[in-house]
Amino acid sequence: GNSVTQMEGPVTLSEEAFLTINCTYTATGYPSLFWYVQYPGEGLQLLLKATKADDKGSNKGFEATYRKETTSFHLEKGSVQVSDSAVYFCALTNSGGYQKVTFGTGTKLQVIP
Amino acid sequence: DARVTQTPRDKVTEMGQEVTMRCQPILGHNTVFWYRQTMMQGLELLAYFRNRAPLDDSGMPKDRFSAEMPDATLATLKIQPSEPRDSAVYFCASGLVLGQGADYGYTFGSGTRLTVV
Repeated sequence: GNSVTQMEGPVTLSEEAFLTINCTYTATGYPSLFWYVQYPGEGLQLLLKATKADDKGSNKGFEATYRKETTSFHLEKGSVQVSDSAVYFCALTNSGGYQKVTFGTGTKLQVIP
Repeated sequence: DARVTQTPRDKVTEMGQEVTMRCQPILGHNTVFWYRQTMMQGLELLAYFRNRAPLDDSGMPKDRFSAEMPDATLATLKIQPSEPRDSAVYFCASGLVLGQGADYGYTFGSGTRLTVV
């Protein structure tokens, strides 16, 4: 079945540092890949997505590139802010059938001033 | 921005009581999920509807949980009887799935925080 593996957290960074959160996946076919962000006390929000190999999703300074050869979708940001502190979830939907969402376990990011 | 609305926001109930959680998906979305989030288990898929028809509820304890979509504007998740181990945050999410590979992501509600004492 499908699975998503994220790096363990929490990740603690100083403001303006470079962020990478690793995500790898296992899936049949050609899944769509997503990053969601969850701020304290809120639901998950779609951050960015990519639907085919070599696509780059980007939003709010965050980027991730769909790498089929390494089955990865790592999240990056060049300069993090305190307001980026949240839990980040990597997710995929399979390309056929029911297209249900498979989530990773989430990576907590804490950015300190 | 269109939102997924969940009610109640918080619910505290005694063990054995019935709990009903409601979700209003975004108008025009054809897919609705129910997830449960706990610190120990993370996000668990409970039920999944497409065009109001249940497609997958394999993650849901059938003896006490039930999920329905009586119409396109309402999804419900019911627990009867509730137990302390059901304490969690329950999220509803909706999205528009048009076909193979045409997936635009899902919009989540703010969740219902359930505490069973």
